[in-house]
Amino acid sequence: AQSVTQLGSHVSVSEGALVLLRCNYSSSVPPYLFWYVQYPNQGLQLLLKYTSAATLVKGINGFEAEFKKSETSFHLTKPSAHMSDAAEYFCAVSEAGTASKLTFGTGTRLQVTL
Amino acid sequence: DAGVIQSPRHEVTEMGQEVTLRCKPISGHDYLFWYRQTMMRGLELLIYFNNNVPIDDSGMPEDRFSAKMPNASFSTLKIQPSEPRDSAVYFCASILAGGPDEQFFGPGTRLTVL
Repeated sequence: AQSVTQLGSHVSVSEGALVLLRCNYSSSVPPYLFWYVQYPNQGLQLLLKYTSAATLVKGINGFEAEFKKSETSFHLTKPSAHMSDAAEYFCAVSEAGTASKLTFGTGTRLQVTL
Repeated sequence: DAGVIQSPRHEVTEMGQEVTLRCKPISGHDYLFWYRQTMMRGLELLIYFNNNVPIDDSGMPEDRFSAKMPNASFSTLKIQPSEPRDSAVYFCASILAGGPDEQFFGPGTRLTVL
């Protein structure tokens, strides 16, 4: 069975500050890991994914995440927050080799303040 | 491509009524997923299809829920009879096996059962 844990249901940062959203996973097989973003009243959009290639993954909108097997983590970061980054962020895991069944975390709502 | 299309975007109905949600996946995609999103339970996978065949329906909450995929370009999720606790946002997503390991989500249907 696979699972992800997102620490912090709400994170608030100032505009221009570092964004760090935490995700830890549990998987009995090599995982694929994903970060999705959901803007209000919209569906989920893929930010980035880890599929067993480079451990540091760069995504859209300046976000990146690092796969750390020893820590079973896949934290999402962005050096400088922008107001437009305010949204809900979901970490997800699937078995390596397939994205056919994703297990999502509970989400982290990012608030960006002036 | 138009992306995943869902209809209706909003549905308000009374308890006991039948509700049908519709989804058109991205052309050529061979997996289709139905999710439910609530504040209490987050994102839950209800059922998914591969080449129009249901593969895993273990997430379907009870017999009141049913899903069909009569062809590669159309799927329905039906609730009969509906109950207030079914109020949620229902998302459809699709993916191409062997493709870029990304599930593409539709905009969702917000269901309110009074």
